[in-house]
Amino acid sequence: AQSVTQPDIHITVSEGASLELRCNYSYGATPYLFWYVQSPGQGLQLLLKYFSGDTLVQGIKGFEAEFKRSQSSFNLRKPSVHWSDAAEYFCAVGAITGGGNKLTFGTGTQLKVEL
Amino acid sequence: GAVVSQHPSRVICKSGTSVKIECRSLDFQATTMFWYRQFPKQSLMLMATSNEGSKATYEQGVEKDKFLINHASLTLSTLTVTSAHPEDSSFYICSSIGGYEWADTQYFGPGTRLTVL
Repeated sequence: AQSVTQPDIHITVSEGASLELRCNYSYGATPYLFWYVQSPGQGLQLLLKYFSGDTLVQGIKGFEAEFKRSQSSFNLRKPSVHWSDAAEYFCAVGAITGGGNKLTFGTGTQLKVEL
Repeated sequence: GAVVSQHPSRVICKSGTSVKIECRSLDFQATTMFWYRQFPKQSLMLMATSNEGSKATYEQGVEKDKFLINHASLTLSTLTVTSAHPEDSSFYICSSIGGYEWADTQYFGPGTRLTVL
């Protein structure tokens, strides 16, 4: 069975600083990997996804993530954080089943941005 | 594109009553819909997977008779919490997959906050 670990429960960064959120996964085959963001009172929004090909994936809002198979990691990065980026971030791994792409989520990382 | 809505956004009910939550895919046909439950400060836990026109597949530990799922059309799935109790209070979120372009990515609704008194 697949699993996802997000080691950092909370992260605080200053506005304008760079950001890296860690994600490690466990999956027996080539994983489908996702990063979602959840703002208070809102649903999960897809930031980016990796299925195959280029291991550096660009997403929305200036985010990117790099798939490193040797490290079983899919860390999310942003060069300069904005106050509006404060939210909960979830990494997820997908497994294609007969019923579609079944996701397993990490426990999330709460990002706080200091002005 | 890929917009998913949920209704209601919040519901408060008395213990013992039933509550129905709707999930709609607004701009695509959802061949598969998923229902999740999220406790405060925790991750999303998959409850069940539903395919249009067939019975839902429930995850281990989820009571089928308590959480009734109906996926009667390609744009609508409903979750009914029957005989709700305070421990059923939670944030319920649906997601959808559908269409060639989005067949491999889940798009999420905004969630429904259920409070059982």
